[in-house]
Amino acid sequence: AQTVTQSQPEMSVQEAETVTLSCTYDTSESDYYLFWYKQPPSRQMILVIRQEAYKQQNATENRFSVNFQKAAKSFSLKISDSQLGDAAMYFCAYRSAYGGATNKLIFGTGTLLAVQP
Amino acid sequence: GAVVSQHPSWVICKSGTSVKIECRSLDFQATTMFWYRQFPKQSLMLMATSNEGSKATYEQGVEKDKFLINHASLTLSTLTVTSAHPEDSSFYICSAGGLAGGLWEQYFGPGTRLTVT
Repeated sequence: AQTVTQSQPEMSVQEAETVTLSCTYDTSESDYYLFWYKQPPSRQMILVIRQEAYKQQNATENRFSVNFQKAAKSFSLKISDSQLGDAAMYFCAYRSAYGGATNKLIFGTGTLLAVQP
Repeated sequence: GAVVSQHPSWVICKSGTSVKIECRSLDFQATTMFWYRQFPKQSLMLMATSNEGSKATYEQGVEKDKFLINHASLTLSTLTVTSAHPEDSSFYICSAGGLAGGLWEQYFGPGTRLTVT
């Protein structure tokens, strides 16, 4: 079974600085997707970034980028120029690429990010 | 992305009563609906997965007779908590999944806070 591990329960960053959130996963599958979701105090889940395992290039979305290390099964999220609105719980998630019942997302335990003004 | 709504956004009910939560996919054909439960400062726990027109598949440890899921159409799924008790108090999130542009996508609703007194 696949597992996702986030070893940092809480992180803090100064406004305008850069922070990296860690995520490791375990799988025997060769094709899959990895995600970072943001859950602000409103509790609405927001997709931040998606990485397809067969793509070697790291995904980027504006100030958000990932460092995807497939061999190491590591998928970290870097937030550049942190803003107050980035304060939220961040979840790393895994999804198999093989479809069917395996379409479900497997979430990590989350990292609560605080942004200090 | 697609818009997924949940109704109600919060509900208070008395112990022993049943409560129904609706999840609507407003502009997306959700062939699969996922229902999650989330306790404060914890991750999302998948309760069940349902495919349109089929019976839901429940995760281990989730009582299917207590959490009734109906997914009668591509735009509507309901979760009914039967004979609710205080320990059922939680935040319930639905998520609509399906193909969009040839890719599997999943969109989250805003969640429903259930308090059982």
